[in-house]
Amino acid sequence: RKEVEQDPGPFNVPEGATVAFNCTYSNSASQSFFWYRQDCRKEPKLLMSVYSSGNEDGRFTAQLNRASQYISLLIRDSKLSDSATYLCVVNKASWGKLQFGAGTQVVVTP
Amino acid sequence: ETGVTQTPRHLVMGMTNKKSLKCEQHLGHNAMYWYKQSAKKPLELMFVYSLEERVENNSVPSRFSPECPNSSHLFLHLHTLQPEDSALYLCASSRATSADTGELFFGEGSRLTVL
Repeated sequence: RKEVEQDPGPFNVPEGATVAFNCTYSNSASQSFFWYRQDCRKEPKLLMSVYSSGNEDGRFTAQLNRASQYISLLIRDSKLSDSATYLCVVNKASWGKLQFGAGTQVVVTP
Repeated sequence: ETGVTQTPRHLVMGMTNKKSLKCEQHLGHNAMYWYKQSAKKPLELMFVYSLEERVENNSVPSRFSPECPNSSHLFLHLHTLQPEDSALYLCASSRATSADTGELFFGEGSRLTVL
Protein backbone atom coordinates (compact mmCIF):
# COMPACT_ATOMS: atom_id res chain seq x y z
CA ARG A 1 0.00 0.00 0.00
CA LYS A 2 1.29 3.45 -0.89
CA GLU A 3 2.05 5.73 2.06
CA VAL A 4 -0.02 8.55 0.64
CA GLU A 5 -2.69 7.82 -1.95
CA GLN A 6 -4.66 10.21 -4.09
CA ASP A 7 -7.16 9.85 -6.90
CA PRO A 8 -5.19 11.16 -9.89
CA GLY A 9 -8.32 12.58 -11.57
CA PRO A 10 -8.76 14.62 -13.59
CA PHE A 11 -11.72 16.19 -11.85
CA ASN A 12 -13.45 18.27 -14.49
CA VAL A 13 -15.35 21.03 -12.71
CA PRO A 14 -17.59 23.73 -14.22
CA GLU A 15 -16.64 27.22 -13.19
CA GLY A 16 -18.51 28.18 -10.03
CA ALA A 17 -19.10 24.61 -8.90
CA THR A 18 -17.76 22.85 -5.83
CA VAL A 19 -15.24 20.04 -5.96
CA ALA A 20 -13.89 17.87 -3.19
CA PHE A 21 -11.36 15.10 -3.07
CA ASN A 22 -9.58 13.01 -0.49
CA CYS A 23 -6.17 11.68 0.30
CA THR A 24 -5.52 8.60 2.42
CA TYR A 25 -2.38 7.92 4.41
CA SER A 26 -1.12 4.66 5.79
CA ASN A 27 0.94 5.69 8.82
CA SER A 28 -1.32 6.25 11.83
CA ALA A 29 1.55 8.02 13.61
CA SER A 30 1.55 10.85 11.06
CA GLN A 31 1.35 14.15 12.83
CA SER A 32 0.89 16.95 10.36
CA PHE A 33 -0.80 17.31 7.04
CA PHE A 34 -0.72 19.77 4.19
CA TRP A 35 -2.08 20.52 0.77
CA TYR A 36 0.28 21.82 -1.89
CA ARG A 37 -0.70 23.11 -5.29
CA GLN A 38 1.34 22.54 -8.44
CA ASP A 39 0.48 24.36 -11.64
CA CYS A 40 1.44 22.82 -14.97
CA ARG A 41 5.23 22.99 -15.45
CA LYS A 42 5.65 24.88 -12.21
CA GLU A 43 6.97 24.07 -8.76
CA PRO A 44 4.73 22.93 -5.87
CA LYS A 45 3.61 25.64 -3.47
CA LEU A 46 2.03 25.30 -0.06
CA LEU A 47 -1.71 25.88 -0.28
CA MET A 48 -2.69 25.26 3.33
CA SER A 49 -1.99 23.23 6.41
CA VAL A 50 -4.67 20.85 7.66
CA TYR A 51 -5.60 21.14 11.32
CA SER A 52 -7.39 18.56 13.45
CA SER A 53 -10.49 20.68 13.77
CA GLY A 54 -10.62 21.48 10.08
CA ASN A 55 -9.81 24.85 8.62
CA GLU A 56 -10.83 27.26 5.91
CA ASP A 57 -8.86 29.64 3.77
CA GLY A 58 -11.22 31.61 1.59
CA ARG A 59 -12.88 29.18 -0.82
CA PHE A 60 -10.74 26.28 0.34
CA THR A 61 -11.68 23.98 3.23
CA ALA A 62 -9.44 21.23 4.55
CA GLN A 63 -10.54 18.44 6.87
CA LEU A 64 -8.70 15.70 8.74
CA ASN A 65 -10.21 12.37 9.73
CA ARG A 66 -7.68 10.56 11.91
CA ALA A 67 -9.91 7.56 12.56
CA SER A 68 -10.17 6.77 8.87
CA GLN A 69 -6.76 8.22 8.06
CA TYR A 70 -7.68 10.63 5.35
CA ILE A 71 -7.62 14.33 4.65
CA SER A 72 -9.85 16.19 2.26
CA LEU A 73 -9.84 19.41 0.30
CA LEU A 74 -12.97 21.19 -0.83
CA ILE A 75 -12.95 24.07 -3.28
CA ARG A 76 -16.08 26.23 -3.46
CA ASP A 77 -17.04 28.56 -6.29
CA SER A 78 -14.27 27.17 -8.51
CA LYS A 79 -12.30 29.60 -10.64
CA LEU A 80 -10.46 28.87 -13.86
CA SER A 81 -7.25 29.69 -11.98
CA ASP A 82 -7.91 26.79 -9.59
CA SER A 83 -6.93 24.39 -12.37
CA ALA A 84 -3.85 22.63 -11.02
CA THR A 85 -2.62 19.44 -9.43
CA TYR A 86 -3.22 19.29 -5.70
CA LEU A 87 -0.61 17.37 -3.72
CA CYS A 88 -1.38 15.80 -0.39
CA VAL A 89 1.59 15.90 2.00
CA VAL A 90 1.96 14.03 5.26
CA ASN A 91 4.67 14.50 7.86
CA LYS A 92 5.87 11.26 9.38
CA ALA A 93 7.36 13.21 12.26
CA SER A 94 10.95 12.35 11.58
CA TRP A 95 13.51 14.59 10.01
CA GLY A 96 12.62 15.72 6.53
CA LYS A 97 10.14 12.93 6.07
CA LEU A 98 7.41 14.73 4.22
CA GLN A 99 5.58 12.13 2.15
CA PHE A 100 3.98 13.46 -1.00
CA GLY A 101 1.05 11.96 -2.83
CA ALA A 102 1.15 11.79 -6.61
CA GLY A 103 -1.48 14.51 -6.84
CA THR A 104 -5.08 15.05 -7.92
CA GLN A 105 -5.58 17.01 -11.10
CA VAL A 106 -8.41 19.53 -11.16
CA VAL A 107 -9.53 21.14 -14.40
CA VAL A 108 -12.00 23.99 -14.11
CA THR A 109 -13.89 24.63 -17.33
CA PRO A 110 -15.75 27.76 -18.46
CA GLU B 1 9.72 35.42 -8.50
CA THR B 2 10.76 32.41 -6.51
CA GLY B 3 13.21 32.73 -3.60
CA VAL B 4 14.83 29.50 -4.71
CA THR B 5 16.54 29.51 -8.08
CA GLN B 6 17.73 26.49 -9.99
CA THR B 7 20.05 26.23 -12.97
CA PRO B 8 19.98 24.94 -15.57
CA ARG B 9 16.25 24.75 -16.16
CA HIS B 10 16.72 22.11 -18.84
CA LEU B 11 19.56 19.65 -19.32
CA VAL B 12 20.11 16.91 -21.86
CA MET B 13 23.02 14.60 -21.24
CA GLY B 14 24.43 11.33 -22.42
CA MET B 15 24.99 8.44 -20.08
CA THR B 16 28.73 9.04 -19.95
CA ASN B 17 28.55 12.77 -19.25
CA LYS B 18 29.20 14.56 -15.99
CA LYS B 19 27.04 17.56 -15.19
CA SER B 20 25.85 19.47 -12.13
CA LEU B 21 22.59 21.04 -11.06
CA LYS B 22 22.77 24.19 -8.98
CA CYS B 23 20.34 25.57 -6.44
CA GLU B 24 20.49 28.86 -4.57
CA GLN B 25 18.07 30.08 -1.94
CA HIS B 26 17.71 33.75 -1.04
CA LEU B 27 15.39 33.19 1.92
CA GLY B 28 17.85 32.77 4.78
CA HIS B 29 16.66 29.22 5.39
CA ASN B 30 18.58 26.58 7.30
CA ALA B 31 17.63 23.46 5.40
CA MET B 32 17.83 22.50 1.74
CA TYR B 33 16.52 19.49 -0.14
CA TRP B 34 16.71 17.65 -3.43
CA TYR B 35 13.57 15.96 -4.71
CA LYS B 36 12.98 13.92 -7.86
CA GLN B 37 9.63 14.20 -9.62
CA SER B 38 8.75 11.67 -12.32
CA ALA B 39 5.54 11.78 -14.32
CA LYS B 40 2.48 10.59 -12.39
CA LYS B 41 4.61 9.64 -9.37
CA PRO B 42 4.96 11.27 -5.96
CA LEU B 43 7.90 13.50 -5.24
CA GLU B 44 10.80 11.40 -4.01
CA LEU B 45 13.05 12.86 -1.35
CA MET B 46 16.69 12.37 -2.29
CA PHE B 47 18.84 14.40 0.09
CA VAL B 48 18.39 16.78 3.00
CA TYR B 49 20.94 19.23 4.32
CA SER B 50 20.57 21.11 7.57
CA LEU B 51 23.08 23.88 8.24
CA GLU B 52 25.30 22.45 5.51
CA GLU B 53 25.34 18.99 7.06
CA ARG B 54 23.70 16.09 5.25
CA VAL B 55 21.02 14.65 7.49
CA GLU B 56 19.23 12.42 5.03
CA ASN B 57 20.32 10.25 2.15
CA ASN B 58 17.31 8.39 0.93
CA SER B 59 19.02 5.36 -0.62
CA VAL B 60 19.97 7.33 -3.68
CA PRO B 61 22.37 5.69 -6.17
CA SER B 62 25.93 6.94 -5.97
CA ARG B 63 25.72 8.36 -9.48
CA PHE B 64 23.97 11.27 -7.74
CA SER B 65 26.32 13.20 -5.48
CA PRO B 66 25.13 16.22 -3.48
CA GLU B 67 27.24 19.08 -2.25
CA CYS B 68 26.29 21.88 0.12
CA PRO B 69 29.14 24.41 0.42
CA ASN B 70 27.06 26.83 2.51
CA SER B 71 23.50 27.27 3.70
CA SER B 72 22.48 29.15 0.55
CA HIS B 73 23.82 26.81 -2.11
CA LEU B 74 23.17 23.22 -3.00
CA PHE B 75 24.52 21.19 -5.90
CA LEU B 76 23.65 17.84 -7.36
CA HIS B 77 26.52 16.31 -9.29
CA LEU B 78 25.50 13.81 -11.94
CA HIS B 79 27.64 11.15 -13.59
CA THR B 80 27.00 7.99 -15.61
CA LEU B 81 23.25 8.43 -15.35
CA GLN B 82 20.67 6.06 -16.78
CA PRO B 83 17.69 6.93 -19.01
CA GLU B 84 15.34 6.17 -16.10
CA ASP B 85 16.95 9.08 -14.24
CA SER B 86 15.20 11.46 -16.62
CA ALA B 87 12.89 13.54 -14.45
CA LEU B 88 12.29 16.94 -12.94
CA TYR B 89 14.74 17.61 -10.11
CA LEU B 90 13.40 20.04 -7.57
CA CYS B 91 15.39 21.89 -4.99
CA ALA B 92 13.62 23.18 -1.90
CA SER B 93 14.45 25.02 1.29
CA SER B 94 12.76 25.39 4.64
CA ARG B 95 13.07 27.80 7.51
CA ALA B 96 13.51 25.33 10.33
CA THR B 97 15.90 22.46 10.78
CA SER B 98 13.00 20.09 10.75
CA ALA B 99 10.17 19.68 8.32
CA ASP B 100 7.49 20.10 10.97
CA THR B 101 6.08 23.26 9.50
CA GLY B 102 5.54 21.46 6.24
CA GLU B 103 6.39 24.59 4.33
CA LEU B 104 8.95 23.89 1.71
CA PHE B 105 9.84 26.56 -0.80
CA PHE B 106 10.63 24.97 -4.12
CA GLY B 107 12.66 26.14 -7.06
CA GLU B 108 11.18 25.81 -10.54
CA GLY B 109 13.15 22.65 -11.14
CA SER B 110 15.74 21.34 -13.54
CA ARG B 111 14.27 19.07 -16.19
CA LEU B 112 16.82 16.39 -16.96
CA THR B 113 16.78 14.14 -19.99
CA VAL B 114 19.31 11.31 -20.17
CA LEU B 115 19.85 9.87 -23.63
